[in-house]
Amino acid sequence: GAVVSQHPSWVICKSGTSVKIECRSLDFQATTMFWYRQFPKQSLMLMATSNEGSKATYEQGVEKDKFLINHASLTLSTLTVTSAHPEDSSFYICSARGRSDRGTIAPRGDTQYFGPGTRLTVL
Amino acid sequence: AQSVTQLGSHVSVSEGALVLLRCNYSSSVPPYLFWYVQYPNQGLQLLLKYTTGATLVKGINGFEAEFKKSETSFHLTKPSAHMSDAAEYFCAVSPMIYNQGGKLIFGQGTELSVKP
Repeated sequence: GAVVSQHPSWVICKSGTSVKIECRSLDFQATTMFWYRQFPKQSLMLMATSNEGSKATYEQGVEKDKFLINHASLTLSTLTVTSAHPEDSSFYICSARGRSDRGTIAPRGDTQYFGPGTRLTVL
Repeated sequence: AQSVTQLGSHVSVSEGALVLLRCNYSSSVPPYLFWYVQYPNQGLQLLLKYTTGATLVKGINGFEAEFKKSETSFHLTKPSAHMSDAAEYFCAVSPMIYNQGGKLIFGQGTELSVKP
Protein backbone atom coordinates (compact mmCIF):
# COMPACT_ATOMS: atom_id res chain seq x y z
CA GLY A 1 0.00 0.00 0.00
CA ALA A 2 0.82 3.73 -0.02
CA VAL A 3 2.04 3.93 -3.61
CA VAL A 4 2.67 7.25 -5.29
CA SER A 5 3.33 7.57 -9.00
CA GLN A 6 4.70 10.40 -11.08
CA HIS A 7 4.38 11.02 -14.77
CA PRO A 8 6.44 11.49 -16.78
CA SER A 9 9.57 9.97 -15.28
CA TRP A 10 11.69 12.17 -17.47
CA VAL A 11 11.06 14.99 -19.91
CA ILE A 12 13.17 17.11 -22.21
CA CYS A 13 11.74 20.37 -23.45
CA LYS A 14 12.78 23.53 -25.22
CA SER A 15 13.33 26.76 -23.38
CA GLY A 16 10.14 28.80 -23.15
CA THR A 17 7.74 25.89 -23.18
CA SER A 18 5.63 24.66 -20.28
CA VAL A 19 5.81 21.22 -18.74
CA LYS A 20 3.22 19.48 -16.59
CA ILE A 21 4.15 16.80 -14.07
CA GLU A 22 1.49 14.60 -12.48
CA CYS A 23 1.60 13.06 -9.04
CA ARG A 24 -0.93 10.40 -8.12
CA SER A 25 -1.64 8.46 -4.97
CA LEU A 26 -2.67 5.08 -6.29
CA ASP A 27 -4.16 3.31 -3.29
CA PHE A 28 -4.99 5.99 -0.77
CA GLN A 29 -6.52 9.41 -0.54
CA ALA A 30 -3.94 12.13 -0.23
CA THR A 31 -5.25 15.13 1.62
CA THR A 32 -1.90 16.83 1.24
CA MET A 33 0.75 16.61 -1.43
CA PHE A 34 4.18 18.14 -1.37
CA TRP A 35 6.46 19.12 -4.23
CA TYR A 36 10.21 19.03 -3.85
CA ARG A 37 13.13 19.92 -6.03
CA GLN A 38 16.46 18.16 -5.80
CA PHE A 39 19.74 19.20 -7.32
CA PRO A 40 22.51 16.64 -7.92
CA LYS A 41 24.15 15.42 -4.73
CA GLN A 42 21.92 17.63 -2.62
CA SER A 43 19.01 17.24 -0.29
CA LEU A 44 15.36 17.84 -1.13
CA MET A 45 14.09 21.38 -1.14
CA LEU A 46 10.41 21.80 -0.40
CA MET A 47 8.78 23.97 -3.03
CA ALA A 48 5.15 23.95 -2.01
CA THR A 49 2.43 22.19 -0.08
CA SER A 50 -0.92 21.56 -1.71
CA ASN A 51 -4.13 20.59 -0.01
CA GLU A 52 -6.99 19.16 -1.98
CA GLY A 53 -9.41 21.84 -3.08
CA SER A 54 -7.39 24.80 -1.91
CA LYS A 55 -4.52 26.94 -3.13
CA ALA A 56 -1.00 25.70 -2.70
CA THR A 57 1.27 27.21 -0.09
CA TYR A 58 4.64 28.08 -1.54
CA GLU A 59 7.91 28.19 0.32
CA GLN A 60 9.83 31.41 0.46
CA GLY A 61 11.69 32.13 -2.73
CA VAL A 62 9.57 29.85 -4.93
CA GLU A 63 7.76 31.71 -7.70
CA LYS A 64 4.12 30.68 -7.62
CA ASP A 65 3.47 32.05 -11.11
CA LYS A 66 6.26 29.94 -12.51
CA PHE A 67 5.49 26.73 -10.66
CA LEU A 68 1.74 26.25 -10.88
CA ILE A 69 0.32 23.63 -8.58
CA ASN A 70 -3.15 22.17 -8.78
CA HIS A 71 -4.57 19.60 -6.39
CA ALA A 72 -7.93 18.94 -7.96
CA SER A 73 -8.72 15.64 -6.31
CA LEU A 74 -7.67 13.47 -3.41
CA THR A 75 -5.49 11.38 -5.68
CA LEU A 76 -3.96 13.86 -8.12
CA SER A 77 -1.76 16.91 -7.93
CA THR A 78 -0.01 18.55 -10.86
CA LEU A 79 3.02 20.80 -11.08
CA THR A 80 3.34 22.93 -14.20
CA VAL A 81 6.65 24.60 -14.88
CA THR A 82 5.73 27.57 -17.04
CA SER A 83 8.10 29.13 -19.56
CA ALA A 84 10.83 26.74 -18.57
CA HIS A 85 14.46 27.77 -18.74
CA PRO A 86 17.65 25.74 -18.42
CA GLU A 87 18.01 26.73 -14.77
CA ASP A 88 14.73 24.93 -14.08
CA SER A 89 16.37 21.65 -15.03
CA SER A 90 16.22 19.48 -11.96
CA PHE A 91 14.76 16.37 -10.36
CA TYR A 92 11.25 17.04 -9.15
CA ILE A 93 9.77 14.74 -6.53
CA CYS A 94 6.29 14.71 -5.08
CA SER A 95 5.04 13.14 -1.91
CA ALA A 96 1.60 12.44 -0.57
CA ARG A 97 0.21 12.22 2.90
CA GLY A 98 -3.00 10.50 3.81
CA ARG A 99 -5.69 11.51 6.21
CA SER A 100 -4.66 11.88 9.82
CA ASP A 101 -5.72 8.57 11.20
CA ARG A 102 -6.70 7.29 14.54
CA GLY A 103 -6.27 3.67 13.69
CA THR A 104 -7.71 3.47 10.20
CA ILE A 105 -6.16 1.26 7.58
CA ALA A 106 -5.28 4.26 5.45
CA PRO A 107 -1.69 5.43 5.50
CA ARG A 108 -1.04 7.43 8.59
CA GLY A 109 -1.25 11.18 8.30
CA ASP A 110 2.16 11.46 9.88
CA THR A 111 4.01 9.87 6.98
CA GLN A 112 4.80 11.17 3.52
CA TYR A 113 5.07 8.66 0.70
CA PHE A 114 7.23 9.69 -2.19
CA GLY A 115 6.86 9.34 -5.91
CA PRO A 116 9.74 8.10 -8.08
CA GLY A 117 10.60 11.58 -9.31
CA THR A 118 10.65 13.36 -12.66
CA ARG A 119 13.87 14.41 -14.34
CA LEU A 120 13.32 17.68 -16.21
CA THR A 121 15.89 18.86 -18.72
CA VAL A 122 15.34 22.20 -20.41
CA LEU A 123 17.42 22.82 -23.51
CA ALA B 1 11.54 25.42 14.43
CA GLN B 2 13.04 22.13 13.39
CA SER B 3 16.38 21.26 11.86
CA VAL B 4 18.34 18.11 11.08
CA THR B 5 22.08 17.53 10.94
CA GLN B 6 23.54 14.41 9.42
CA LEU B 7 27.14 13.92 10.42
CA GLY B 8 29.20 12.84 7.46
CA SER B 9 28.14 13.43 3.89
CA HIS B 10 29.80 10.19 2.88
CA VAL B 11 30.28 6.96 4.81
CA SER B 12 32.15 3.94 3.48
CA VAL B 13 31.99 0.49 5.03
CA SER B 14 33.03 -2.99 4.03
CA GLU B 15 30.47 -5.61 3.19
CA GLY B 16 29.42 -7.33 6.39
CA ALA B 17 30.51 -4.47 8.62
CA LEU B 18 28.32 -2.39 10.90
CA VAL B 19 26.54 0.55 9.32
CA LEU B 20 26.09 3.66 11.48
CA LEU B 21 24.60 6.82 9.99
CA ARG B 22 24.28 9.69 12.41
CA CYS B 23 21.39 12.10 12.69
CA ASN B 24 20.84 14.84 15.25
CA TYR B 25 17.77 17.00 15.29
CA SER B 26 16.53 20.20 16.81
CA SER B 27 12.86 20.65 17.52
CA SER B 28 10.83 22.96 19.70
CA VAL B 29 7.95 20.48 19.81
CA PRO B 30 7.87 16.67 20.07
CA PRO B 31 9.05 15.39 16.72
CA TYR B 32 8.26 12.65 14.34
CA LEU B 33 11.54 11.28 12.96
CA PHE B 34 12.12 9.46 9.70
CA TRP B 35 14.84 7.79 7.71
CA TYR B 36 14.46 7.57 3.96
CA VAL B 37 16.70 5.89 1.38
CA GLN B 38 17.17 7.09 -2.18
CA TYR B 39 18.70 5.03 -4.95
CA PRO B 40 20.10 6.85 -8.01
CA ASN B 41 17.47 8.61 -10.09
CA GLN B 42 14.66 7.39 -7.88
CA GLY B 43 12.32 8.83 -5.29
CA LEU B 44 12.61 8.28 -1.56
CA GLN B 45 11.63 5.07 0.17
CA LEU B 46 10.67 5.06 3.82
CA LEU B 47 13.05 2.94 5.89
CA LEU B 48 11.56 3.54 9.30
CA LYS B 49 9.95 6.15 11.47
CA TYR B 50 9.52 7.11 15.09
CA THR B 51 6.27 8.63 16.20
CA THR B 52 5.53 7.58 19.76
CA GLY B 53 6.10 4.56 21.95
CA ALA B 54 9.13 2.31 21.75
CA THR B 55 12.26 4.30 21.12
CA LEU B 56 14.01 1.51 19.22
CA VAL B 57 12.41 1.32 15.83
CA LYS B 58 12.92 -1.47 13.35
CA GLY B 59 12.57 -0.85 9.66
CA ILE B 60 12.94 -2.58 6.37
CA ASN B 61 16.08 -4.26 5.03
CA GLY B 62 17.44 -4.93 8.53
CA PHE B 63 17.81 -1.28 9.52
CA GLU B 64 16.90 0.11 12.89
CA ALA B 65 17.17 3.42 14.68
CA GLU B 66 16.92 4.54 18.26
CA PHE B 67 15.31 7.78 19.37
CA LYS B 68 17.35 9.30 22.18
CA LYS B 69 15.61 12.38 23.46
CA SER B 70 18.41 13.34 25.84
CA GLU B 71 20.89 13.33 22.98
CA THR B 72 18.44 14.63 20.37
CA SER B 73 19.63 11.85 18.12
CA PHE B 74 18.09 9.29 15.80
CA HIS B 75 21.03 7.31 14.45
CA LEU B 76 20.46 4.62 11.84
CA THR B 77 22.21 1.27 12.17
CA LYS B 78 22.44 -2.07 10.45
CA PRO B 79 24.55 -4.90 11.88
CA SER B 80 25.90 -6.17 8.57
CA ALA B 81 26.17 -4.11 5.40
CA HIS B 82 25.19 -5.52 2.05
CA MET B 83 26.27 -4.27 -1.33
CA SER B 84 22.65 -3.39 -2.09
CA ASP B 85 22.64 -0.93 0.81
CA ALA B 86 24.75 1.51 -1.18
CA ALA B 87 22.54 4.56 -1.59
CA GLU B 88 21.81 8.03 -0.25
CA TYR B 89 20.16 8.18 3.16
CA PHE B 90 18.13 11.08 4.46
CA CYS B 91 17.06 11.76 8.02
CA ALA B 92 13.99 13.96 8.40
CA VAL B 93 11.98 15.55 11.18
CA SER B 94 8.39 16.68 11.28
CA PRO B 95 6.49 18.34 14.10
CA MET B 96 4.18 15.94 15.88
CA ILE B 97 1.43 18.52 15.91
CA TYR B 98 -0.67 17.65 12.87
CA ASN B 99 -1.98 21.12 12.20
CA GLN B 100 1.51 22.42 11.63
CA GLY B 101 1.26 21.07 8.12
CA GLY B 102 3.33 17.94 8.40
CA LYS B 103 6.29 19.43 6.59
CA LEU B 104 9.40 17.33 6.51
CA ILE B 105 12.70 18.97 7.25
CA PHE B 106 15.48 16.95 5.68
CA GLY B 107 19.09 16.58 6.60
CA GLN B 108 21.67 17.07 3.89
CA GLY B 109 21.95 13.34 3.26
CA THR B 110 24.65 10.73 3.73
CA GLU B 111 25.94 8.69 0.85
CA LEU B 112 26.70 5.14 1.92
CA SER B 113 29.26 3.17 -0.05
CA VAL B 114 29.79 -0.54 0.55
CA LYS B 115 33.11 -2.08 -0.42
CA PRO B 116 33.38 -5.75 -1.36
